[in-house]
Amino acid sequence: NAGVTQTPKFRVLKTGQSMTLLCAQDMNHEYMYWYRQDPGMGLRLIHYSVGEGTTAKGEVPDGYNVSRLKKQNFLLGLESAAPSQTSVYFCASSFSRSSYNEQFFGPGTRLTVL
Amino acid sequence: GNSVTQMEGPVTLSEEAFLTINCTYTATGYPSLFWYVQYPGEGLQLLLKATKADDKGSNKGFEATYRKETTSFHLEKGSVQVSDSAVYFCALSDRGNQGGKLIFGQGTELSVKP
Repeated sequence: NAGVTQTPKFRVLKTGQSMTLLCAQDMNHEYMYWYRQDPGMGLRLIHYSVGEGTTAKGEVPDGYNVSRLKKQNFLLGLESAAPSQTSVYFCASSFSRSSYNEQFFGPGTRLTVL
Repeated sequence: GNSVTQMEGPVTLSEEAFLTINCTYTATGYPSLFWYVQYPGEGLQLLLKATKADDKGSNKGFEATYRKETTSFHLEKGSVQVSDSAVYFCALSDRGNQGGKLIFGQGTELSVKP
């Protein structure tokens, strides 16, 4: 099993450009999450999905959109990148929302917006 | 709202020293508590967890006890190794909110010198 994979690993954008980050999991998990990691702030939830075809906003959703057309994939889009979106982005998945179930994380995407 | 506070880093120790990383939390209800570890250039991995008061989570020589009376979940290891150098995140599950998201502390960087 590959677990949770993310592409790309690194990306540099100019302000105003768009891009899509792809997350894939092969554990048949229902729940998927996108977090961003910024220095001194831990990880913060951007958007999440509780199943195929569903998405919802997290703590810091502005400037991002997501889609979950297939159960195994969760896409994060930036329509018009801003320097404030420079961050490391982590995707995670979980079998359920139960607090007994851990979240499994991907290796991250380091994004720089100039 | 729910929150997690960790001791600030970086923490620098010599090999075989005793490690404590403090973590306290604020939460309504009875969240589960987690310690995740992030090795350089990698995603987060679950280190240990505890799902109810007085539970002790343990893994790879690390331990943490869920103390409801002091709202704490301090991470300890009796003898650290160079390979333990990483960033450690304390987190709690917020299963009643936003898909059971994890709320993270800011992370504590540990550096172990030979």
